[in-house]
Amino acid sequence: NAGVMQNPRHLVRRRGQEARLRCSPMKGHSHVYWYRQLPEEGLKFMVYLQKENIIDESGMPKERFSAEFPKEGPSILRIQQVVRGDSAAYFCASQGDSNEQFFGPGTRLTVL
Amino acid sequence: RKEVEQDPGPFNVPEGATVAFNCTYSNSASQSFFWYRQDCRKEPKLLMSVYSSGNEDGRFTAQLNRASQYISLLIRDSKLSDSATYLCAVNPSGGYQKVTFGTGTKLQVIP
Repeated sequence: NAGVMQNPRHLVRRRGQEARLRCSPMKGHSHVYWYRQLPEEGLKFMVYLQKENIIDESGMPKERFSAEFPKEGPSILRIQQVVRGDSAAYFCASQGDSNEQFFGPGTRLTVL
Repeated sequence: RKEVEQDPGPFNVPEGATVAFNCTYSNSASQSFFWYRQDCRKEPKLLMSVYSSGNEDGRFTAQLNRASQYISLLIRDSKLSDSATYLCAVNPSGGYQKVTFGTGTKLQVIP
């Protein structure tokens, strides 16, 4: 029973490029959450999605960031025109019928 | 006041010691509470959910104090492998909603 999967685990981008982060929830889970963690800081909520729907995007920056969770395939967090301040660890978590969220291994984004 | 607050530590304790962390939350209507453990550069791992009646899992005991709006985590007989950052998390509704995390309390167990 595979856990939450994220890829890539490490991503290096130059300023102005696009970053695409993927998350496959645990089998049977249809709720996905994205969080960002800056070095030495806590996890900050970004967005909550169900299949084909964005439920809560209150934590998403207004520009350059978008997320989707299509009917088929993984959830995608997309960052356009990356800047150095976007460097962080991005974690996704999935939730099934219980109220517990389980995290993937994260994608570490470095913007040069 | 922050939604969820934790003492960042670090807590340096000898092996075998008992250590306790508290976490306060501001939303009195919060329904679900959790403790996660995060090792350096790894993902948070769910340690335990915190129930109203309190719960215990081996050397770990979690308590909820609704009146004072805090949850606690007690670790008995600390092991070197317990060294990590412990994050508390609060879900306002108990259902499908964003969870707010504290910034974590760092524990270092010393031989």
